[in-house]
Amino acid sequence: DTEVTQTPKHLVMGMTNKKSLKCEQHMGHRAMYWYKQKAKKPPELMFVYSYEKLSINESVPSRFSPECPNSSLLNLHLHALQPEDSALYLCASSRQTSYSRSNQPQHFGDGTRLSIL
Amino acid sequence: DQQVKQNSPSLSVQEGRISILNCDYTNSMFDYFLWYKKYPAEGPTFLISISSIKDKNEDGRFTVFLNKSAKHLSLHIVPSQPGDSAVYFCAAHERNTPLVFGKGTRLSVIA
Repeated sequence: DTEVTQTPKHLVMGMTNKKSLKCEQHMGHRAMYWYKQKAKKPPELMFVYSYEKLSINESVPSRFSPECPNSSLLNLHLHALQPEDSALYLCASSRQTSYSRSNQPQHFGDGTRLSIL
Repeated sequence: DQQVKQNSPSLSVQEGRISILNCDYTNSMFDYFLWYKKYPAEGPTFLISISSIKDKNEDGRFTVFLNKSAKHLSLHIVPSQPGDSAVYFCAAHERNTPLVFGKGTRLSVIA
């Protein structure tokens, strides 16, 4: 069982739709991440939130809009997506982003499989 | 430019034998290395990690070895079990920078 919960597990949407992906963790982690993963490729970082503030945006198109309402929740708002945006969207969390000498791995959810028609 | 390379896309091993998954990196500033396992339809699961101040870390059947001079990392699984069949990702980062993943190696453990 994963400690990072993502909903929905699957989402099919048209290019004009607006939808949101949700991620929740209750491990007290203060860093949360969105990744995009295409088939047979490694996860690609999209956004990093540290203490509820956006700290990294990896040049992601504005049709993806992240939001961190509190330390346990992370949303990804989707609008006017393109077919090439179809992918597995993974959320992850870690104790913090400072990557100190201690062991601070990122823990991933099971992802939302997104299909754009 | 790929900073983390897993040159074997797939590996088949018999049940009970040792599985050795390899990873090479180019960035000498990386100071923390991780292995993740991924089953289909699930997110990556953290398996084991090692910091650059160590050369070995062991957790049950899993051992990670780090050779800094060769910029090489390996994951040993012994004995291998059919449930270990998955895609294994090597990942690394330097302080205050995001994780960099390799492309993954698909391990098949044959009963």
